[in-house]
Amino acid sequence: NAGVTQTPKFRVLKTGQSMTLLCAQDMNHEYMYWYRQDPGMGLRLIHYSVGEGTTAKGEVPDGYNVSRLKKQNFLLGLESAAPSQTSVYFCASSYRRGAENIQYFGAGTRLSVL
Amino acid sequence: QKEVEQDPGPLSVPEGAIVSLNCTYSNSAFQYFMWYRQYSRKGPDLLMYTYSSGNKEDGRFTAQVDKSSKYISLFIRDSQPSDSATYLCAMSARTRTSYDKVIFGPGTSLSVIP
Repeated sequence: NAGVTQTPKFRVLKTGQSMTLLCAQDMNHEYMYWYRQDPGMGLRLIHYSVGEGTTAKGEVPDGYNVSRLKKQNFLLGLESAAPSQTSVYFCASSYRRGAENIQYFGAGTRLSVL
Repeated sequence: QKEVEQDPGPLSVPEGAIVSLNCTYSNSAFQYFMWYRQYSRKGPDLLMYTYSSGNKEDGRFTAQVDKSSKYISLFIRDSQPSDSATYLCAMSARTRTSYDKVIFGPGTSLSVIP
């Protein structure tokens, strides 16, 4: 049982380059999320999805785009990377049951933008 | 004022000590309260969750919620070096949309010294 799988685990980009981070979950969860985690800032929500074909902006969406073409996959894109996007990116998924929203996380992608 | 506040530490205790980790919050709409444990260079893993006020115990871990004071705690008894990690509190509130908002605290770094 893999849970939430993120690829790649590490990446170094130059300013202006683009890349896509892939998240896959095998728990049949409806909800999926992308967060970034920076020292002293905690987890900040970038974008989220409440179902296949739907996406919405989170707290810090600028500079990122997402797509959820299949229920099990959630892609995060950086069209033109900037040094401020150097961070650790986490994908999470959850089921929905009333106000209960327990999220399960992947192992993270460490991204450096030079 | 941030919605969720948590002392970042670092907190260093000797093996066998009782550890108390705390979070305060400002939004009275929060209903579910969670604690995640994050080891270095890993994703957060769910440790415990509770609904509304009260206590919940799981082995050496006890989670407490005091909604009247907007204060939650995680107690670790007989702490072990393997408990050394960052502990993040999280809480969720039902919104008018289909998304149930989850806010994470910045995390407290704990070291248990043998």
